Amino acid sequence: QKEVEQNSGPLSVPEGAIASLNCTYSDRGSQSFFWYRQYSGKSPELIMFIYSNGDKEDGRFTAQLNKASQYVSLLIRDSQPSDSATYLCAVLVGSARQLTFGSGTQLTVLP
Amino acid sequence: DAGVIQSPRHEVTEMGQEVTLRCKPISGHDYLFWYRQTMMRGLELLIYFNNNVPIDDSGMPEDRFSAKMPNASFSTLKIQPSEPRDSAVYFCASSFHPGRNEQYFGPGTRLTVT
Repeated sequence: QKEVEQNSGPLSVPEGAIASLNCTYSDRGSQSFFWYRQYSGKSPELIMFIYSNGDKEDGRFTAQLNKASQYVSLLIRDSQPSDSATYLCAVLVGSARQLTFGSGTQLTVLP
Repeated sequence: DAGVIQSPRHEVTEMGQEVTLRCKPISGHDYLFWYRQTMMRGLELLIYFNNNVPIDDSGMPEDRFSAKMPNASFSTLKIQPSEPRDSAVYFCASSFHPGRNEQYFGPGTRLTVT
C-alpha cells in the first residue's frame, strides 16, 4: 500500500462547480498535511496546509482533515479554468522533516 | 522576498558528463530539500539538510549522486557521471523550523542526458 494515495484522475468539472480532491494516508503518526498545485511545466506551489482535524478555509479553497479516517481533502469552490492543474497531496510523518507526496490528481475545469 | 532560486533552468548534457545543479534557499530557512520528478516515479525526495548538515540521504539513487551545502545560502547537487535515466526535473525546496513545516519549491532544473 502506498503511503499517500490520490485518485490520479483526470477529474473534470464545469466552471463554477465545486471540485473535490481526496487523499488518504497510511501512517497514523502523520501530523501535517499539505496541498500543492502544479501547472504543467512548473514547480509545485503550496496552496493549503492543515495540521488539526476539521476544516480550514482560504478564499475558494477548503482543506478538510479527518485523522481518525486518515484522509484529507481539498475543495475548490467556484472552480475556474485557471484552476486546471495537477494537485499533489503531501504528508509529514512523525518527527522527520521530509514530505511524502501522492502521485497527484489532474483537474480540468471546463469553460 | 525572493523565493527559492535554482540554476540552470535547463541542462542538456551527454552521457558520462558531470552535471552540477545549484540552489539558493529562501533567506532564513534552515531546511533544504532536493527532489526529483519523473512521470514514472512522481516526486521523490533525494536528500535534505538542516542547518547545512545532511540529515537523510536515503533517497539518493546511487553513488553517482552527491549533494553539498557549504553555507546557509547555497547548495549543489552533482551527478557524475550522468546517465540517460537521470533525465528528470530536479527541484530544490526550503522550509523554516520550528513549528512551520511548509516547504516552498524553486522553479526546478530540467535535466536531459543524451
